[in-house]
This record gives sequence, structure tokens and C-alpha cells, in this order.
Amino acid sequence: KQEVTQIPAALSVPEGENLVLNCSFTDSAIYNLQWFRQDPGKGLTSLLLIQSSQREQTSGRLNASLDKSSGRSTLYIAASQPGDSATYLCAVGDNQGGKLIFGQGTELSVKP
Amino acid sequence: SAVISQKPSRDICQRGTSLTIQCQVDSQVTMMFWYRQQPGQSLTLIATANQGSEATYESGFVIDKFPISRPNLTFSTLTVSNMSPEDSSIYLCSVEGDFTDTQYFGPGTRLTVL
Repeated sequence: KQEVTQIPAALSVPEGENLVLNCSFTDSAIYNLQWFRQDPGKGLTSLLLIQSSQREQTSGRLNASLDKSSGRSTLYIAASQPGDSATYLCAVGDNQGGKLIFGQGTELSVKP
Repeated sequence: SAVISQKPSRDICQRGTSLTIQCQVDSQVTMMFWYRQQPGQSLTLIATANQGSEATYESGFVIDKFPISRPNLTFSTLTVSNMSPEDSSIYLCSVEGDFTDTQYFGPGTRLTVL
């Protein structure tokens, strides 16, 4: 059974700092991996999608990497801003059927 | 991308009653997904809903408790039946993009059961 773990559970950084969020999964036979952002009282916003054949994806200040063999993914946020404060969720797609298995999330707070 | 709306956005219900949550997508999609997010927890898939067939439920979720309808390619409903306080959660629907595996989520329905 696939399990997804995110470390740390919470993170507080000063504005401008670069940071890394970690995601690990137990079964390397994944179809893809997605990073989402969840703001309080709102739904999820997709940030980056990495297919199982890819090593990384970039969007603006965000960079996500994937190492299937070790069961790890990282989300790198450059030059963090207070607007980046949210909960970041990692989700593994384990087949083509679209089912996602989520980690518990990392709650990020960026202080001005 | 897909734009998804859900109704209601929140509700407070009494134990033993049922609530039907609606999910509307701005484009036709093959599969729709229903997730539950319990307080302080991450998301758990309840079921996958395909148009024209019975929904497929994940382990721990049953049709009698969470009946789902999928009458067309842009709409689905999830009913939470015979509610108890343990059903207090955020319920979210999602879809996959047309030409991408990216999933798009609705804003969620925050349910409180007293």
C-alpha cells in the first residue's frame, strides 16, 4: 500500500529565504507526482506535475524534483514571500486512473 | 485548466440527516473524483465517478453511506447519508485536465455535523 510522508510538518522562515519541502513515498511504481498548495478555507491549487519519466519541473520560483528509485521528491521555493504562506501537499498518482495519494502536508509560514 | 464549483460551500447539519453536495465543471470530463479531508488531516479519496457507470469506491467507503451520481460529463453529486459528527470534514471534488494528468480541485464543501 502506497504511503506518502512529508517533512517537516510545519516550517517558518523569514522573507527572502530559499527553502526545501520534502516528500517521500514507499512504492516507487508511481505514474506521476503532483505538488499542490492549499490556502485556508480554499481548495487546492496545482503547482507542478512531474511524470514518472521526468526528473524535475520548474515554474517561476518553484522547482520540483523527483527521484523514483529512492522514493523522494523535493519542492524548492526560491526567494520566499509572505504570499507563499500556505499548506503544501505532495500527492502520488499510482496508476493512469487518476487516483492520488496525499501526504499530510507542510504548513509554511513566511514572515515579513 | 478546468474551473470547478461546488454547492454548498459549507453547511451545519444534524446527526442522522443527509446532505447532497454538487460539483459542476466548466468542461466535459471523463472522470470525477470525490475526496474527504478530515480536520487536521490530508485528503483521502472516497470514490471515482465515471459517467454512465457505477462509482468505484475506495477501501473504507461504501455506496450506502456515500451514494454518488454522475448524470452527465460536467456534473456529479455526493451524498453523505445518516450523518454523524465523525463525518465533519471538507469534501472536495476534482477532475483531470483534458490533455494533462494535472488534477483540478473545487473549493470544497465544509460540513459540520452536530
